Amino acid sequence: EDQVTQSPEALRLQEGESSSLNCSYTVSGLRGLFWYRQDPGKGPEFLFTLYSAGEEKEKERLKATLTKKESFLHITAPKPEDSATYLCAVHGSSNTGKLIFGQGTTLQVKP
Amino acid sequence: GAVVSQHPSWVICKSGTSVKIECRSLDFQATTMFWYRQFPKQSLMLMATSNEGSKATYEQGVEKDKFLINHASLTLSTLTVTSAHPEDSSFYICSAPDLTSGSEDTQYFGPGTRLTVL
Repeated sequence: EDQVTQSPEALRLQEGESSSLNCSYTVSGLRGLFWYRQDPGKGPEFLFTLYSAGEEKEKERLKATLTKKESFLHITAPKPEDSATYLCAVHGSSNTGKLIFGQGTTLQVKP
Repeated sequence: GAVVSQHPSWVICKSGTSVKIECRSLDFQATTMFWYRQFPKQSLMLMATSNEGSKATYEQGVEKDKFLINHASLTLSTLTVTSAHPEDSSFYICSAPDLTSGSEDTQYFGPGTRLTVL
């Protein structure tokens, strides 16, 4: 059974304090791993898609990496506006388009 | 590109009434759309897959007669919550993959609809 586990559940950082969020997954035939950002009361906003181990993608202060078992979302010098819940999801070859989501990491960045 | 909209953004209804939620892909066509629900401080749970021109596929435990899905066109899917009860109160979100984006597996989400049943 495909499964996604994110850690930590919650993370508090000071502005400028870099850190990483973890997403561990088990899936039969990874077709894609996705990172989303979700603000309270809003739908998830697409950040990155990763397809194969060793792949990396960057956007502003965020960088996503992928291995065969996990993905990391690195946040460099975060700002208060980076505060949100970050969701990781996988699409396996047996799931015909369905995304399996982790529980998310809620990030709070204090000024 | 790849914008998905939902209407309404929030709705309050009385117990026993039906509520329709629309999901539209604004700048691309979507033969498949997905409907999720999200309870407070929880992650997204897939309810059903909406297929243009055919019946929706429901996840285990989701009542298809209660949550009616119609994929009326390549840009519109609707979710109707029939005979709503307070336990149906939740945040409903739709998504769709943009097959022309070069990343056919990436799903783009709507802003969500907050349903409150009194």
